[in-house]
Amino acid sequence: DAKTTQPPSMDCAEGRAANLPCNHSTISGNEYVYWYRQIHSQGPQYIIHGLKNNETNEMASLIITEDRKSSTLILPHATLRDTAVYYCIVTRRDAGNMLTFGGGTRLMVKP
Amino acid sequence: IAGITQAPTSQILAAGRRMTLRCTQDMRHNAMYWYRQDLGLGLRLIHYSNTAGTTGKGEVPDGYSVSRANTDDFPLTLASAVPSQTSVYFCASSPGLAGGGYNEQFFGPGTRLTVL
Repeated sequence: DAKTTQPPSMDCAEGRAANLPCNHSTISGNEYVYWYRQIHSQGPQYIIHGLKNNETNEMASLIITEDRKSSTLILPHATLRDTAVYYCIVTRRDAGNMLTFGGGTRLMVKP
Repeated sequence: IAGITQAPTSQILAAGRRMTLRCTQDMRHNAMYWYRQDLGLGLRLIHYSNTAGTTGKGEVPDGYSVSRANTDDFPLTLASAVPSQTSVYFCASSPGLAGGGYNEQFFGPGTRLTVL
């Protein structure tokens, strides 16, 4: 799996968009970008994934650069309940035996 | 409500005792997983099962065993617990390749285990 780099922490004002970056410069052509989050003491929660096109669902949007070496997870209107550690994971979709959760980004949404 | 249940929620265990953590899902997912998360660290995969009747070793399998007799249940057994197995244990499931992918995993609420 390709290595990912995320900032250790970020702050965001409640109601504003939270933009969480992830670098994955060694990503392979068949690897997807997955985002999970873990709210304190809970199990991780799947958010979204993508290959090369931008993706949007009810939780977030995923913007992947054209060269696929980086991506941004966007929470359009952050709430206090979005405070969590966000993990960017790059892996093949047919190789789900191991999700490697690195350090992630601790997002603090402030009133 | 569909999802994953784990039992017990928490447990304090004496070293050397045998313990089975239970995990049940009702989503008919093919694949199931066990992770451990030590304080302040990321999750590490212990064992996995891509389909009923098969299991595989993850990153940190030593001291743990699993079985997958049916689709819904995936128990994790510590044959002789040691203090280094103190951790929070998360069970997860995913549809599997035929169902749309392995990596869209759904996690249970976790079991907090303390081995003294």
